[in-house]
Amino acid sequence: GQQVMQIPQYQHVQEGEDFTTYCNSSTTLSNIQWYKQRPGGHPVFLIQLVKSGEVKKQKRLTFQFGEAKKNSSLHITATQTTDVGTYFCAGTAAGNKLTFGGGTRVLVKP
Amino acid sequence: DAGVTQSPTHLIKTRGQHVTLRCSPISGHKSVSWYQQVLGQGPQFIFQYYEKEERGRGNFPDRFSARQFPNYSSELNVNALLLGDSALYLCASSLRTAYTEAFFGQGTRLTVV
Repeated sequence: GQQVMQIPQYQHVQEGEDFTTYCNSSTTLSNIQWYKQRPGGHPVFLIQLVKSGEVKKQKRLTFQFGEAKKNSSLHITATQTTDVGTYFCAGTAAGNKLTFGGGTRVLVKP
Repeated sequence: DAGVTQSPTHLIKTRGQHVTLRCSPISGHKSVSWYQQVLGQGPQFIFQYYEKEERGRGNFPDRFSARQFPNYSSELNVNALLLGDSALYLCASSLRTAYTEAFFGQGTRLTVV
């Protein structure tokens, strides 16, 4: 079945630094979504990418969908303490099943 | 406008019992999906319902069942509870199917003892 992997599992970042988290699917995706879950909270939608090679920006966050539509990345610049949480990618290959990755847990050192 | 509401927020059950979890989607949303999130892992897809019909099913045993009502609210039922069913159960509503933004509720924390 479809599998979505995320690396790294943990990301310790110094405040002000940049980092990137990666998402890889075992199958070609129709779309990829990114969510953020704060500790003790629920996933909150960040963005959806649909087109091959698509790049979208939200302030300090840059999202990219790979040319083969099997991978994606999230790049955060000038990390802030408000960026703490777990970032999940989730993709749809066929049907209506949204498959989540295991997440990247981001900890920010002030 | 109210977001996705789930009830109850916490629940403790004994092995072998059954449980019913409830979800009310955002007004105007016709799709409801259920996910199981074990601590430290990503949400795992259980079911999706759209316009009261099952449109997707994840790799969960037949002990798990769900339905969607005419007002688009939904129930998730789990029979013969196992210790491994302990998790956060999340409901997400969306306008249509998996290709649109999903809005998650706060979840129901189920503990099986």
